[in-house]
Amino acid sequence: DGGITQSPKYLFRKEGQNVTLSCEQNLNHDAMYWYRQDPGQGLRLIYYSQIVNDFQKGDIAEGYSVSREKKESFPLTVTSAQKNPTAFYLCASIGGLSYNEQFFGPGTRLTVL
Amino acid sequence: GENVEQHPSTLSVQEGDSAVIKCTYSDSASNYFPWYKQELGKGPQLIIDIRSNVGEKKDQRIAVTLNKTAKHFSLHITETQPEDSAVYFCAATLSGHTGTASKLTFGTGTRLQVTL
Repeated sequence: DGGITQSPKYLFRKEGQNVTLSCEQNLNHDAMYWYRQDPGQGLRLIYYSQIVNDFQKGDIAEGYSVSREKKESFPLTVTSAQKNPTAFYLCASIGGLSYNEQFFGPGTRLTVL
Repeated sequence: GENVEQHPSTLSVQEGDSAVIKCTYSDSASNYFPWYKQELGKGPQLIIDIRSNVGEKKDQRIAVTLNKTAKHFSLHITETQPEDSAVYFCAATLSGHTGTASKLTFGTGTRLQVTL
């Protein structure tokens, strides 16, 4: 059963702590993405990666970091430098012939206490 | 860079009526325009997309139209049903070649409510 999994579904963090969100895909997709979603706003791109060991900043990368050590995995770390981290985080991937359709995971809701 | 505007932000229709959501984009080079449906607490799912070499595309009750000259595209849902209630996002990008990741620019979303 192919797809994208994100864990955990809900995450609570104290101010000043770093936290890592997991994203795994078994679709054999090359490109992976992280988005942030706030109420009343569209999806904003944090980071994306086209291939293993390579990634680029998106529009709102400050306070976040990523790694791409395996094709299947693209974890996102929300650091203490992120001023307003409470949001819904979505991971996506692209692959296949058209190389356009983004498949999204179910999301992780991060709340900073 | 690309900028996508989406209207309306909320839309309420009665079951069986049609719903139309409109988006405009700024970059004339954009050539791929997907629409996503997001249910509460879930990730968005692609429902239909259109490329710049096509003016209209239809899939059962859903259709998308594209006007490249005016740089706007619209989602049309006919015979709406309660299960159509969700948030809908439009997006635009310059489609990359295989091996080049596309960066989608999303609209701010439309919350569609279908009432009985």
